[in-house]
Amino acid sequence: DGGITQSPKYLFRKEGQNVTLSCEQNLNHDAMYWYRQDPGQGLRLIYYSQIVNDFQKGDIAEGYSVSREKKESFPLTVTSAQKNPTAFYLCASSEDYQETQYFGPGTRLLVL
Amino acid sequence: DQQVKQNSPSLSVQEGRISILNCDYTNSMFDYFLWYKKYPAEGPTFLISISSIKDKNEDGRFTVFLNKSAKHLSLHIVPSQPGDSAVYFCAASAKYTGNQFYFGTGTSLTVIP
Repeated sequence: DGGITQSPKYLFRKEGQNVTLSCEQNLNHDAMYWYRQDPGQGLRLIYYSQIVNDFQKGDIAEGYSVSREKKESFPLTVTSAQKNPTAFYLCASSEDYQETQYFGPGTRLLVL
Repeated sequence: DQQVKQNSPSLSVQEGRISILNCDYTNSMFDYFLWYKKYPAEGPTFLISISSIKDKNEDGRFTVFLNKSAKHLSLHIVPSQPGDSAVYFCAASAKYTGNQFYFGTGTSLTVIP
């Protein structure tokens, strides 16, 4: 049963703390993406990776970091430099870059 | 700078009638378009796509129309069902130039039984 999993579903961050959001896919997709959704806004691209060991900044990469050491995994770290981290974070993957993207269930990050 | 716009934040339709969701874009280089459906606290689910070589694509109750000269696309749902109640996002990209996807802000559809 192929798909994309994100964990945890909810995550709480204290001021000054880094947190890492997990994204795993077993679809054998080459490309993976991280988006952020805020109320009343569309999805905004944070980072994307077209292939293992490669990733590129999206429109709102400041305060975030990623790694792509394995094809199936694309974790996102929200660093303390991200001043407004409260949002719904969505991970997606596609067979190749620019093909149709399939999304995970999302992680809601809240700042305490 | 919002390159993809969904100007109607919400839409209500009676069950059995047609739902028409609209999307406008500004970049004439966009050539590949997607529609997604999203329930609260879940990830978007892919519905239907269309490339710029077509002006219509149909999949069951869902049809997407593309008007390239007007830079406008629409999603028609016929007949509308209560389970269609969700937020619908359109997305666009310049696929063959390696451009990222840009998403609209979404339209919340409510189908009234």
